[in-house]
Amino acid sequence: AQSVTQLDSQVPVFEEAPVELRCNYSSSVSVYLFWYVQYPNQGLQLLLKYLSGSTLVKGINGFEAEFNKSQTSFHLRKPSVHISDTAEYFCAVSLNPYSGGSNYKLTFGKGTLLTVNP
Amino acid sequence: NAGVMQNPRHLVRRRGQEARLRCSPMKGHSHVYWYRQLPEEGLKFMVYLQKENIIDESGMPKERFSAEFPKEGPSILRIQQVVRGDSAAYFCASSPPNRGLADTQYFGPGTRLTVL
Repeated sequence: AQSVTQLDSQVPVFEEAPVELRCNYSSSVSVYLFWYVQYPNQGLQLLLKYLSGSTLVKGINGFEAEFNKSQTSFHLRKPSVHISDTAEYFCAVSLNPYSGGSNYKLTFGKGTLLTVNP
Repeated sequence: NAGVMQNPRHLVRRRGQEARLRCSPMKGHSHVYWYRQLPEEGLKFMVYLQKENIIDESGMPKERFSAEFPKEGPSILRIQQVVRGDSAAYFCASSPPNRGLADTQYFGPGTRLTVL
């Protein structure tokens, strides 16, 4: 079974500073990787996803993530954060269907609360 | 275009009562997924439904939990005889009918269930 570890439960940063939210996964077969964001009192919104191809994935709101197969990581980065980026961020994986997995079954990490301070 | 709707947003039940959680998918979506988030945990998959069919319920507890997605109306997650351990946030997601390699799942805001 696959698993996801988000190493930091909380990350406080100052506005306009860069940020990296870490995500590591474990799986015996190849996976698809996702980052979701949850703003207060809202549903989870997809930021970006990696299916195949280029390991650097660009998403919405200026976020990007890099897939590193050897380190089984998919860290999320933004060069300059805004107050409005304050939210909970979830990393998730699903199995690559070409590996025989169920690609609809997302496995999530516990989330990282990003707090951007003025 | 309204997103995924869930109601109620907060639900309080006493031990032994029934909890009914509703999910209305996005317009045009025919696939619904339920996830549960226990305190201090990530979201965990419970069940995947299409209209009038349960496709995968491998994440559902064997007893007291059931889900349906009727031809008309919202998807319902029902928990009978709730216990304190059922206290959690329950999220519903939906995706469009023609599944691609990894169709995006669109999530609702969740229902926070508290069992007293």
